[in-house]
Amino acid sequence: SAVISQKPSRDICQRGTSLTIQCQVDSQVTMMFWYRQQPGQSLTLIATANQGSEATYESGFVIDKFPISRPNLTFSTLTVSNMSPEDSSIYLCSVESLGDRGYNEQFFGPGTRLTVL
Amino acid sequence: GIQVEQSPPDLILQEGANSTLRCNFSDSVNNLQWFHQNPWGQLINLFYIPSGTKQNGRLSATTVATERYSLLYISSSQTTDSGVYFCAVESGGTSYGKLTFGQGTILTVHP
Repeated sequence: SAVISQKPSRDICQRGTSLTIQCQVDSQVTMMFWYRQQPGQSLTLIATANQGSEATYESGFVIDKFPISRPNLTFSTLTVSNMSPEDSSIYLCSVESLGDRGYNEQFFGPGTRLTVL
Repeated sequence: GIQVEQSPPDLILQEGANSTLRCNFSDSVNNLQWFHQNPWGQLINLFYIPSGTKQNGRLSATTVATERYSLLYISSSQTTDSGVYFCAVESGGTSYGKLTFGQGTILTVHP
């Protein structure tokens, strides 16, 4: 299984500023995924981060707004740039890894709860 | 892209009751997973079940891939089962690890 930690756990930010969220995994993984969960909504994939290459963004998400770094196989960062109140969400980091039950499972970090004023 | 629909959207139970949650998907999938999001926001993987039936304690799940649906059964529900249950699917040849989530079922279990 994979244990994922995220920093910060929550933050309140002013519009127009940027916040960088860190994701640390306790094992090496090829791909890391960033999701957004808007208030009362489901999860939406923002991008896939591979070590050593540019992140792949889903429709509706762009690199200028959500730049991602992946410097090694256990760490990634997501920056939310030039924030507006519409960016208020929970941001979750995820990896796919072999679970204790013997098959691949998706593991999620505890999330970063962002409020933009 | 693939569509994932869950029902019911909300469910209120008394402790000890049984329930069935449904997930319909619009295309063939490589895998299907059920998650529980607790009131603190943490997502826990319940089942990886692209087809067939699995059981884990009071929970079980069945996926009928040919008919594009999955069911999650909760028996003898407890207050700690409260939260949001998500179905998520992975589809397509190049979408390894990329999940499309349903809108979720909000379960409230009263003592």
